[in-house]
Amino acid sequence: QKEVEQDPGPLSVPEGAIVSLNCTYSNSAFQYFMWYRQYSRKGPELLMYTYSSGNKEDGRFTAQVDKSSKYISLFIRDSQPSDSATYLCAIAAGNKLTFGGGTRLLVKP
Amino acid sequence: DTGVSQNPRHKITKRGQNVTFRCDPISEHNRLYWYRQTLGQGPEFLTYFQNEAQLEKSRLLSDRFSAERPKGSFSTLEIQRTEQGDSAMYLCASSSVTSGQYFGPGTRLTVT
Repeated sequence: QKEVEQDPGPLSVPEGAIVSLNCTYSNSAFQYFMWYRQYSRKGPELLMYTYSSGNKEDGRFTAQVDKSSKYISLFIRDSQPSDSATYLCAIAAGNKLTFGGGTRLLVKP
Repeated sequence: DTGVSQNPRHKITKRGQNVTFRCDPISEHNRLYWYRQTLGQGPEFLTYFQNEAQLEKSRLLSDRFSAERPKGSFSTLEIQRTEQGDSAMYLCASSSVTSGQYFGPGTRLTVT
């Protein structure tokens, strides 16, 4: 079993929809939680960084962490075709990030 | 542009050759990381520097791989005697004590 699990998708939604992306993890020592967006053949782009349970909002993005369930989510409001990319969750106990495999999102105009 | 930069962006080499990649982190970041990503997978951690000290290495970093950060600024990753299984995207990231890790555009290695 992988330490961080993420549904590979693809997840296809119409423009303007609310998108929900999720990851589960197994190691309760994980303390830091990040979401990255990666376009094809590009480096990952940091979207959200949090270290506590609860919600963190930044523009159209909301990150949610539930440490008791070992479950993290990223919500995207008013999704746009430009949001079409692979979304990676990353979790850390120290300096090393452990990534999920990524969820491919397609936002159709 | 004050982001993480990596050079070269693409490298094609023949099996058995040595290759070296360079990473220039965000200037105020003292932490630097190398990851490897293959198609359809998330990045996998290779190694971590704090200033010039290499503090952590993954088991993925075989004896053919070596990384340096001689003055605590830029870093190099060298692969000796490349194998086809080394073909991947090599990603560099940097961070401060309080920030998340910011990634560069990556170096795509193809070993023929």
